[in-house]
Amino acid sequence: QSVLTQPPSASGTPGQRVTISCSGSSSNIGSNYVYWYQQLPGTAPKLLIYRNNQRPSGVPDRFSGSKSGTSASLAISGLRSEDEADYYCAAWDDSLSGQVVFGGGTKLTVL
Amino acid sequence: EVQLVQSGAEVKKPGESLKISCKGSGYSFTSYWIGWVRQMPGKGLEWMGIIYPGDSDTRYSPSFQGQVTISADKSISTAYLQWSSLKASDTAMYYCVRSTGLQGGGFDPWGQGTLVTVSS
Repeated sequence: QSVLTQPPSASGTPGQRVTISCSGSSSNIGSNYVYWYQQLPGTAPKLLIYRNNQRPSGVPDRFSGSKSGTSASLAISGLRSEDEADYYCAAWDDSLSGQVVFGGGTKLTVL
Repeated sequence: EVQLVQSGAEVKKPGESLKISCKGSGYSFTSYWIGWVRQMPGKGLEWMGIIYPGDSDTRYSPSFQGQVTISADKSISTAYLQWSSLKASDTAMYYCVRSTGLQGGGFDPWGQGTLVTVSS
């Protein structure tokens, strides 16, 4: 059971806008930055969004992140076939001695 | 180019010890944290712990405390993850990651991963 909760799957057709949610608590999302990672099939994950809504250089502006209270969302607009991947949210959790916690991951299918 | 290059795949028996490595290049190795992330077959990502090579400050996830040891040799820009007695349940892909901060840093880049298989 992951500390951050994500839907196990999401889908959309090319050109559509899809959102993936990530729900946490006051000790993680509620008080720390949220990060999003994309893992294409058979590859290492890649940083997609940092500090809630910032894109590293090279990440298309079709990807955007937002946070409100203890929840966060990743939005992908103009969906493309190459966006089919697993997406993970992550945040620092202040409980116990502190640690990074991940969501369980959302498998995005482009129909 | 900032890169993390990990050691190759390992096949071990239960009870054996193992140390895998992660070599950083293209940046100041002592100025960033290096973490380790586990991904069991068909499963999600789990944060194991992190080290700051500059002063060897090391933190562990409660789930992995006592189960693994994280270390670094700054003279050769290399971080390590080691087990003293492997179990079948340690079978997984292990990624090293660079982070700008303990609490406020994202993981970028990621190493290519080291597949560890533990089987009798």
